[in-house]
Amino acid sequence: DIQMTQSPSILSASVGDRVTITCRAGQSISSWLAWYQQRPGRAPKLLLYKASTLESGVPSRFSGGESGTEFTLTINGLQPDDFATYYCQQYNAYPWTFGQGTKVEIK
Amino acid sequence: EVQLVESGGGLVQPGGSLRLSCAASGVTLSRHDMSWFRQAPGKGLEWVSTLISTDEPFYADSVKGRFIISRDSFRNTLFLQMNSLRAEDTAIYYCARKIGYGYGSDYWGQGTLVAVSS
Repeated sequence: DIQMTQSPSILSASVGDRVTITCRAGQSISSWLAWYQQRPGRAPKLLLYKASTLESGVPSRFSGGESGTEFTLTINGLQPDDFATYYCQQYNAYPWTFGQGTKVEIK
Repeated sequence: EVQLVESGGGLVQPGGSLRLSCAASGVTLSRHDMSWFRQAPGKGLEWVSTLISTDEPFYADSVKGRFIISRDSFRNTLFLQMNSLRAEDTAIYYCARKIGYGYGSDYWGQGTLVAVSS
């Protein structure tokens, strides 16, 4: 199985901040990585796929990067709606695997 | 508008069975890869199973041999037959669509809760 190591587990930030979440794959997954946002009591929402392609309707303050097996999700200018939990997921190979999640909370 | 609506969750005893349904509207399920994911209370997301558009199924090791994914094209509904349920299967189960190769899972249902307890 491909292990996905996501950090940090919790991120405290303020509205307007630039924040970055990192996800490291245990082996090459090409660019087959997605990022999801999940608010409490809600289903996950796809933000980006193929590491850096923004899903339709997602604000441009969200962006994704990659360098080898390390992937990043950056939010430029945190908004109140962005306080949520974020997950990375690889879909390069079955079984698909998720990172442990990063909770972005208000500082 | 694409909508996925799960049903069939509930309380079941260990060793029991449940069949989850995911009814779709605004999308033809047979054209896409369809998946089940789950989330145990207070925990992260876990992939359970995917049925790709060619009808080949894939399963997580934790459910292989116990769960069966299928779809009814006429009813445009995805199913997850869950047998030999264990306490560790307790979770919210979500169905989701993946439009095709290279894409993420873009539409998700609201989830249905499965509780396995005596």
